[in-house]
Amino acid sequence: DQQVKQNSPSLSVQEGRISILNCDYTNSMFDYFLWYKKYPAEGPTFLISISSIKDKNEDGRFTVFLNKSAKHLSLHIVPSQPGDSAVYFCAASAGGAGAQKLVFGQGTRLTINP
Amino acid sequence: GAGVSQSPRYKVAKRGQDVALRCDPISGHVSLFWYQQALGQGPEFLTYFQNEAQLDKSGLPSDRFFAERPEGSVSTLKIQRTQQEDSAVYLCASSLRETNSYEQYFGPGTRLTVT
Repeated sequence: DQQVKQNSPSLSVQEGRISILNCDYTNSMFDYFLWYKKYPAEGPTFLISISSIKDKNEDGRFTVFLNKSAKHLSLHIVPSQPGDSAVYFCAASAGGAGAQKLVFGQGTRLTINP
Repeated sequence: GAGVSQSPRYKVAKRGQDVALRCDPISGHVSLFWYQQALGQGPEFLTYFQNEAQLDKSGLPSDRFFAERPEGSVSTLKIQRTQQEDSAVYLCASSLRETNSYEQYFGPGTRLTVT
């Protein structure tokens, strides 16, 4: 069963506009959520995260929103730039002692058009 | 500073061959993870080390998969008698902390193709 889902395989946005990437999860034990960005032939790069005790976290052009009741999170990028073109992965982790393995969604390929 | 490095970057193996994939984590990082990424999918957890101790191997798909980190730094993922379904990118990630190690730093991956 897919515990973290990104239902849009791809998204195309005009440069300068807002990009919104969505992610849904099913496991109510998840208490930390992350977004990773991946360029071809490179490993995923950490972008931004949010704890389940918050509903919003902002870092420059990137904002992540968490709606716990809907088990939904989204990543907003504004303004979008050509360098933002990449595959974006949503990931989640359950709490508890020890290190937290990440459960990833399938990814959304974002293309920013000039 | 140096990030996580993995070698080889690409590996082609004939079905039935054994392979060994190496990961050099960021110096001083306590936690080390291995993930498997199939084409068009997100990474899936394989196993986790805290220093030299393998604390979680619940994601290893079969007993053909074996991982070690004998001195708490470099790690090796070994796959015995490779099968076509083992074809994937194998990602290594490290994290500074023992707990709350959410922010994991990934290497570029090893793309394994089994023919």
